[in-house]
Amino acid sequence: RKEVEQDPGPFNVPEGATVAFNCTYSNSASQSFFWYRQDCRKEPKLLMSVYSSGNEDGRFTAQLNRASQYISLLIRDSKLSDSATYLCVVSSGGYNKLIFGAGTRLAVHP
Amino acid sequence: DAGVTQSPTHLIKTRGQQVTLRCSPKSGHDTVSWYQQALGQGPQFIFQYYEEEERQRGNFPDRFSGHQFPNYSSELNVNALLLGDSALYLCASTQGWQNIQYFGAGTRLSVL
Repeated sequence: RKEVEQDPGPFNVPEGATVAFNCTYSNSASQSFFWYRQDCRKEPKLLMSVYSSGNEDGRFTAQLNRASQYISLLIRDSKLSDSATYLCVVSSGGYNKLIFGAGTRLAVHP
Repeated sequence: DAGVTQSPTHLIKTRGQQVTLRCSPKSGHDTVSWYQQALGQGPQFIFQYYEEEERQRGNFPDRFSGHQFPNYSSELNVNALLLGDSALYLCASTQGWQNIQYFGAGTRLSVL
């Protein structure tokens, strides 16, 4: 079983749609949680950290459920520029080693 | 403020050769991690350097080695290249115990 699992997609949605991505992780000792965005053939860039209390950044909302070991990302009012791969990431251990999921591909069309 | 820089951007090697990739961390950062990203996969942790020492290692063979210099820059060396080593190699830096890592643009290695 992979340490971080995501639905690979692709999710094909029209502009303005709301889309949700889910992710599960296997290590209950994981300490920090993130969503990174990766454009084609580019480096991953931090989208947002994820907290149990939930956090929102504009059109993006992330949520962590430690009991279920589940992380979510909600994107409202999708834009063409949101088309990318979204990587679910957890870190564990004393040195913050990042464990990445394989990513969920999002394609937003006009 | 320069971000994480990596060189070269692209590299083509043949099986059995050796390669060295370089990384300069973001200004003020002292910790460098290396990741390998195969096509269609998420990045996989190779190792992390802090104070010129390898302090954590992922599930990669000894053919993968590294170094960190006093100015915090780092090198990744891969010996006896295999076709399966073809990937995007990413360097990430952070400061101390902070858990946010910033990535460079990567080096795309092709092994023929």
